[in-house]
Amino acid sequence: DVVMTQSPLSLPVTLGQPASISCRSSQSLVHSNGNTYLSWFQQRPGQSPRRLIYKVSNRDSGVPDRFSGSGSGTDFTLEISRVEAEDVGVYYCFQGTYWPGLTFGGGTKVEIK
Amino acid sequence: QVQLVESGGGLVKPGGSLRLSCTTYGLTFSDEYMAWIRQTPGKGLELISYIGNSGSPTYHADSVKGRFTISRDNTKNSLFLQMNSLRAEDTAVYYCATPADSSIIFWGQGALVTVSS
Repeated sequence: DVVMTQSPLSLPVTLGQPASISCRSSQSLVHSNGNTYLSWFQQRPGQSPRRLIYKVSNRDSGVPDRFSGSGSGTDFTLEISRVEAEDVGVYYCFQGTYWPGLTFGGGTKVEIK
Repeated sequence: QVQLVESGGGLVKPGGSLRLSCTTYGLTFSDEYMAWIRQTPGKGLELISYIGNSGSPTYHADSVKGRFTISRDNTKNSLFLQMNSLRAEDTAVYYCATPADSSIIFWGQGALVTVSS
């Protein structure tokens, strides 16, 4: 299976400041059809995960524009331009390129300093 | 509005069995692939099974192969996970989810399964 490695494990951030989370895959996530199936999920405390970003950089409906995704091949980044209190939680990357073994990263916990 | 509602979680002894159900609302169930994803403190999120919209193909991760079986009933908009020979390491929150366009679109609220004597 493709291994997804996130860093850092924990990210203390000051309100209003930017935050950046890295995700690296053990193989290129470029599919034979040209798409790159890398998604980002947010899990707030006590809630189910919720998708924020799909295919590297496409924001889901209702996701604030302070969230952005970028990257290519094996290196990807989720950025929050100005962290708000509601952004506290754990963030996961996910690869959907290699079926059947779809895999998640280990998670990055975002907390307020 | 799409809703996925899991049921059937609980406490079970090692070696025991449990059947999880997921009833869906607000989507055309028979058009959708469905999946079970579990979450443990130690291993994080793991997609353990999925099933095609008409019952095939099916997939089970190595960690559950031969012990868990995914199935569905399109007449009842329902997904199931039969879990046998349960082990302590199967203790987790189990989510019903919709894998679509090579991502995960919708998630249920989760069902806690605890395997302990």
